[in-house]
Amino acid sequence: NAGVMQNPRHLVRRRGQEARLRCSPMKGHSHVYWYRQLPEEGLKFMVYLQKENIIDESGMPKERFSAEFPKEGPSILRIQQVVRGDSAAYFCASSDRGDTEAFFGQGTRLTVV
Amino acid sequence: AQSVTQLDSQVPVFEEAPVELRCNYSSSVSVYLFWYVQYPNQGLQLLLKYLSGSTLVKGINGFEAEFNKSQTSFHLRKPSVHISDTAEYFCAVSEPGRRALTFGSGTRLQVQP
Repeated sequence: NAGVMQNPRHLVRRRGQEARLRCSPMKGHSHVYWYRQLPEEGLKFMVYLQKENIIDESGMPKERFSAEFPKEGPSILRIQQVVRGDSAAYFCASSDRGDTEAFFGQGTRLTVV
Repeated sequence: AQSVTQLDSQVPVFEEAPVELRCNYSSSVSVYLFWYVQYPNQGLQLLLKYLSGSTLVKGINGFEAEFNKSQTSFHLRKPSVHISDTAEYFCAVSEPGRRALTFGSGTRLQVQP
């Protein structure tokens, strides 16, 4: 049973470009969470999704950021018109319906140059 | 709103010595408590969790933590550390019914020979 898979592991974008981060949850998991880790800081919650639904987006910046978890395929975190301050590690986690434990992926490290 | 405070940003310790990593939280409701470990350039791995019941929780790799409701603390302990325990440790809380985790800023454990 493969764990949570995130790709790419490293992503470099120039200011103004779009960044697209992918997360495939563990098999059988229908709940996905995205977190952002700035350098030397802890993880900050961004958004919680179930299949085709956004459940809690209280941690998402109001502009340029969006997330989806379609019926088929991975969850996508999209950042439009990236700026230097978006440089961070973005972690995805998934969980089962009845399980409070979330399993984390290895993260995507975004660098904006 | 919840918050988590990890009082020590770095903890140096010699191999085979005991260690305690401190975590305090604030919340207006009852919480679930977690400790995660992050090795360099890796995702987070769950060490242990407290949901209810016994306040002393045993986790993987010889770690344990004690929930103290009156002091709102959930300190992590290990009686004898190994070089391989060198990593970043994060304390986190969540509210029952809300799946998002609130993380502390992390404690870097440095085990020296």
